Amino acid sequence: KNQVEQSPQSLIILEGKNCTLQCNYTVSPFSNLRWYKQDTGRGPVSLTIMTFSENTKSNGRYTATLDADTKQSSLHITASQLSDSASYICVVSAYGGNMLTFGGGTRLMVKP
Amino acid sequence: GAVVSQHPSRVICKSGTSVKIECRSLDFQATTMFWYRQFPKQSLMLMATSNEGSKATYEQGVEKDKFLINHASLTLSTLTVTSAHPEDSSFYICSASGTGANEQFFGPGTRLTVL
Repeated sequence: KNQVEQSPQSLIILEGKNCTLQCNYTVSPFSNLRWYKQDTGRGPVSLTIMTFSENTKSNGRYTATLDADTKQSSLHITASQLSDSASYICVVSAYGGNMLTFGGGTRLMVKP
Repeated sequence: GAVVSQHPSRVICKSGTSVKIECRSLDFQATTMFWYRQFPKQSLMLMATSNEGSKATYEQGVEKDKFLINHASLTLSTLTVTSAHPEDSSFYICSASGTGANEQFFGPGTRLTVL
C-alpha cells in the first residue's frame, strides 16, 4: 500500500530560525515527490518537485532533499518568516499514473 | 504556471439544499480533474477523478448520487453536493491535470458550511 508519512505533525519556531520537515514514503514505482505549502483556508501551492535523479531542489528559502534509496525527503526552511506559518504537505506520485499519495502534513507556526 | 480557479470561495446553505461548486482551468486544457475534501487539521482526501466527457470515478465510500460531478469541457468541472447536510460541511478542493502531464494544479478551495 502506498503511504507517505510526515514528521513532526506540528512545529513551533521563532521568527528567523531554521527548521527541517521530514517525509518518508513507500510509493512504488516512484515518479516524483512534491512539497506543497497550504495556508489556512487556501488550496495547496507547489514549492518543489523532484524526480528520481534529483537530490536537492531550492525555491528561495525553501530547500528540498530527496534520498530515493532510503525513500526519504526533507524540506528545510531558512530564516523563517511569520508568513511561513502554514501546513506543509509532502505528496508522492507513482510512475505512469496521475494519482497522488498525500502525507498528513506538518503544521508550522512561526512566532515573533 | 497553470492556474485553476474555484467558485464560489465560500458558501453557506441550509440543510437539504443542493450546492454547485465550479472548478476552472484558466490557461490550459484539463483532461483530468480531481475533487478532494479536507476536514480541519487533516490532509486532502480524494473523492473522485473525472476525465472530460466521461463519467467520474469515485473513491470507495464516496456516494456518487450525493456528490454529482460533471466534466463537460476541457476547462470546467462542477461538483454538486445534493441534499446537503451539516456533516457535508468541509473544504472542497479541485485540481486539474493536462494531457500527458504528471502534475496536478490545485484550486484555492471552497469552504462549504451547511446549517
